[in-house]
Amino acid sequence: DTGVSQDPRHKITKRGQNVTFRCDPISEHNRLYWYRQTLGQGPEFLTYFQNEAQLEKSRLLSDRFSAERPKGSFSTLEIQRTEQGDSAMYLCASSPSGGGGYEQYFGPGTRLTVT
Amino acid sequence: AQSVSQHNHHVILSEAASLELGCNYSYGGTVNLFWYVQYPGQHLQLLLKYFSGDPLVKGIKGFEAEFIKSKFSFNLRKPSVQWSDTAEYFCVGGTASKLTFGTGTRLQVTL
Repeated sequence: DTGVSQDPRHKITKRGQNVTFRCDPISEHNRLYWYRQTLGQGPEFLTYFQNEAQLEKSRLLSDRFSAERPKGSFSTLEIQRTEQGDSAMYLCASSPSGGGGYEQYFGPGTRLTVT
Repeated sequence: AQSVSQHNHHVILSEAASLELGCNYSYGGTVNLFWYVQYPGQHLQLLLKYFSGDPLVKGIKGFEAEFIKSKFSFNLRKPSVQWSDTAEYFCVGGTASKLTFGTGTRLQVTL
């Protein structure tokens, strides 16, 4: 049973550097989501793809953040000029289209620490 | 605006005690509600979901939740908790484009 995978699991970077995270969704899922979770909080929505189209972005996703899903399979989330406030767990989730419920399946997350 | 609020931030129970975690939602239109759980060191997992039909929904590991429309509530229950239920529990509202999480309730079950 291959679930959602994320790479890397941990990333430590210096302020001002660029970082890129990868997410591989469950293979038959055409919806893909990114969330950010900080300590003591629930995950917050960042962006949503259906196939390769980015259909929704949160106001949290500043212009330093960009996400892509070029072939409708894996996705990347890039943060440019990282700031200490970007330190968080970045979660990826996927779901199938159709049906009811809109449940999402989460990956293990990438923990980003900006020093 | 879609929002979900959880009443309890940290709950400590002894094994075999009954559990009820409160959740209220504010949603327009079709309601899709979930409870997700995050065990220590693991990723988020779906416990149960409600989107239509019987308002009493049963999930994995003996958990259940009741959707009460008049109270805008979706409380999570379990009659007898186990030490292995120690985890963080999130009440979540959802649409096709995103999930909205509550702040979470940390449950600690003592032996």
